[in-house]
Amino acid sequence: GAVVSQHPSWVICKSGTSVKIECRSLDFQATTMFWYRQFPKQSLMLMATSNEGSKATYEQGVEKDKFLINHASLTLSTLTVTSAHPEDSSFYICSARVDLEAFFGQGTRLTVV
Amino acid sequence: KQEVTQIPAALSVPEGENLVLNCSFTDSAIYNLQWFRQDPGKGLTSLLLIQSSQREQTSGRLNASLDKSSGRSTLYIAASQPGDSATYLCAALFSGGYNKLIFGAGTRLAVHP
Repeated sequence: GAVVSQHPSWVICKSGTSVKIECRSLDFQATTMFWYRQFPKQSLMLMATSNEGSKATYEQGVEKDKFLINHASLTLSTLTVTSAHPEDSSFYICSARVDLEAFFGQGTRLTVV
Repeated sequence: KQEVTQIPAALSVPEGENLVLNCSFTDSAIYNLQWFRQDPGKGLTSLLLIQSSQREQTSGRLNASLDKSSGRSTLYIAASQPGDSATYLCAALFSGGYNKLIFGAGTRLAVHP
């Protein structure tokens, strides 16, 4: 199957700082990538759809200015959590599809202290 | 509204048992349905993908079925092992609207020796 790589696996940051998470498709090109958030013992919630060369599409209730998404190339999408606060602590995971089959990165555990 | 439901939420079985995990979805207009495994703090591993035109898929001890008309899918695990302990998620890729992959809440499986 296709490989999606996410970095970092975990990060701890101070409240008020920004954190960037990278998502790469290693063996295929992805014009579209997806960012999800997962709270403990809950399922994945789609945050936004990242589109190469254009603006991301955000789900209802997701703050665009808080979660900045950039999809600068066919193999890389980034999610930047700006001015992070403890309530932003969560598990973030990205995904890309090949022939409508979804593949996921390893996820990033963000802890804001 | 497009929703995916999984039952049971948690399951604890002795090693060697055959078990069935259930997934239901509200809209039969789907491209496919995927079953994933998630270990604690990790990303998602794709187990099986069933296209909307298919009835079932098999991989090793795993068998997944799909009944679009009733909006149901089942994941059958034969001869369960302690290494099968994980959370199992099903997700439906709905074909209407924005082609979103919607997840169920998952079934937490514990297989004890």
